[in-house]
Amino acid sequence: QKEVEQNSGPLSVPEGAIASLNCTYSDRGSQSFFWYRQYSGKSPELIMFIYSNGDKEDGRFTAQLNKASQYVSLLIRDSQPSDSATYLCAVNGGTYKYIFGTGTRLKVLA
Amino acid sequence: GAVVSQHPSWVICKSGTSVKIECRSLDFQATTMFWYRQFPKQSLMLMATSNEGSKATYEQGVEKDKFLINHASLTLSTLTVTSAHPEDSSFYICSASPGLADSYEQYFGPGTRLTVT
Repeated sequence: QKEVEQNSGPLSVPEGAIASLNCTYSDRGSQSFFWYRQYSGKSPELIMFIYSNGDKEDGRFTAQLNKASQYVSLLIRDSQPSDSATYLCAVNGGTYKYIFGTGTRLKVLA
Repeated sequence: GAVVSQHPSWVICKSGTSVKIECRSLDFQATTMFWYRQFPKQSLMLMATSNEGSKATYEQGVEKDKFLINHASLTLSTLTVTSAHPEDSSFYICSASPGLADSYEQYFGPGTRLTVT
């Protein structure tokens, strides 16, 4: 059974701080990793994807991938109250079908 | 870029009737489209994967005769919930993938909230 695990949270951080969201996966053959943000009552929005070990930065977001340890993380710098949402980690093994984590709820406190 | 639309955004129907939901990729051709269902405070549940011009692949436990999926073109997939019942009330979300080489991103539509009375 291929699994993707996330801490459900809530993860509370003060405004302006760095929020660190983590995700572990069980399938060593996984090739592509995605972070989605989902606001309550809305559909997921793609934030970033990463394929290679290391860091990938896009604005205030940094995705980090460590395939040897089977984890992927998302860092949000200068967190804003508008970043408060559920963050979903998704993994696939080189096909279009994802395995989703259950999501981490982030609360950024003003 | 990578915009996916869904219609309707919400629908209320009576028990026993059928409801059709459309999913369109607006600015790219979608080789593959997906249909998900999400209950309150739960994660996304994949219902089926559809490829243009072929039959959809349903996940275990999803009734193919109840949830009819048609992917008639590279920009349009439809989900028809037949003989809907109150337990089918949920948030239905489609996603589409451009299908570029080594690129497996899925872009989600805004979702359709179905309420069956």
